[in-house]
Amino acid sequence: DAKTTQPPSMDCAEGRAANLPCNHSTISGNEYVYWYRQIHSQGPQYIIHGLKNNETNEMASLIITEDRKSSTLILPHATLRDTAVYYCIVVQGAQKLVFGQGTRLTINP
Amino acid sequence: EAQVTQNPRYLITVTGKKLTVTCSQNMNHEYMSWYRQDPGLGLRQIYYSMNVEVTDKGDVPEGYKVSRKEKRNFPLILESPSPNQTSLYFCASSLVGQGTQPQHFGDGTRLSIL
Repeated sequence: DAKTTQPPSMDCAEGRAANLPCNHSTISGNEYVYWYRQIHSQGPQYIIHGLKNNETNEMASLIITEDRKSSTLILPHATLRDTAVYYCIVVQGAQKLVFGQGTRLTINP
Repeated sequence: EAQVTQNPRYLITVTGKKLTVTCSQNMNHEYMSWYRQDPGLGLRQIYYSMNVEVTDKGDVPEGYKVSRKEKRNFPLILESPSPNQTSLYFCASSLVGQGTQPQHFGDGTRLSIL
């Protein structure tokens, strides 16, 4: 599975959009981009995933570049409850998830 | 409510005393997996199961056993726990099928082996 690179930490003001980048330059054609988050020490929570098209659900939007070498997770109106560690994972079949260190996102009031 | 349930949530025990952490899901998922999470090392897969009676090793299986006798249950067994197995454990499940399927995680079990 391709490796991902994320910034270790980011800050965002409450009510603003949080944009979390992820580089996955070695991604192969049949690998998906998944985003999970972990709030404190709770179980990771699935957010969104995509192959090559942009995706949106009730939680977030996922923008994947045309060459698929990077992506951005967008939380449109961040709240304090969005403070968490966000993991970008590239995987062929979703069963084996390899978690990196993720991005620690802090939402400030 | 669709969920993955782990028990116990917290356990402090001593070296060598066999313990079992249970995991149950009510979503009829074929795939189940165990992860451990340690500071600086992230989440690492211990064992996984693609369906009943089908289990396989993950990245860190040493010192652990699992079984999958029923679709909904996937217990993690520590036959002779040691202090290096002190960790936060998560069970996860998902469907298996075309494309990819998101995994659902339990709330975690914090084990302390003294």
